[in-house]
Amino acid sequence: DIQMTQSPSSLSASVGDRVTITCRASQSISSYLNWYQQKPGKAPKLLIYAASSLQSGVPSRFSGSGSGTDFTLTISSLQPEDFATYYCQQSYSTPLAFGPGTKVDIK
Amino acid sequence: EVQLVESGGGLVQPGRSLRLSCAASGFTFDDYAMHWVRQAPGKGLEWVSGISWNSGSIGYADSVKGRFTISRDNAKNSLYLQMNSLRAEDTALYYCAKDRSSSWYRGTWFDPWGQGTLVTVSS
Repeated sequence: DIQMTQSPSSLSASVGDRVTITCRASQSISSYLNWYQQKPGKAPKLLIYAASSLQSGVPSRFSGSGSGTDFTLTISSLQPEDFATYYCQQSYSTPLAFGPGTKVDIK
Repeated sequence: EVQLVESGGGLVQPGRSLRLSCAASGFTFDDYAMHWVRQAPGKGLEWVSGISWNSGSIGYADSVKGRFTISRDNAKNSLYLQMNSLRAEDTALYYCAKDRSSSWYRGTWFDPWGQGTLVTVSS
């Protein structure tokens, strides 16, 4: 099975900051990597699919990059509504594993 | 608007069974594969199971294989998860999620998700 890791596990940032979250797969997954945002008490929401494609309706301050085993999610200018937990998920093979999450909170 | 509404959760004793349902609307249900994803209290996300549009392709996480059964009724626009031999570690919020295509396969993703139904396994 493919294992997913994320770093950091949590971070504190201010509105307007540039934030980068890293996701690593235990083996190459090409570009089969998705990112989700989850706010407290809410269902996860798809942000990025296929490593770098922005889901419709998602603000352009979110971007994704990477391929193989190393991926990043970048928020170019953090907004108050972006404070949430972010998960990566590989879709290269079953089981369709998620990373452990990165919690972004207010500094 | 796509809507997914889960139901069937509750408190159940270890070893007993429970059946979850997910009612879908706002899209052509039998055009899409579907999934169950769970989240234990305060924990991360875990994919549980997926099913293709015609039930021809089904997969499970190792943690539930042999105990859980996913199914769907396209005439009723509904997805199900039969959970048997429940354990304390199955306690979680169970989400239903729509796949990007008819057959879940390499390159898929989950969008959107329902609001979840809570399953608590305890004596």
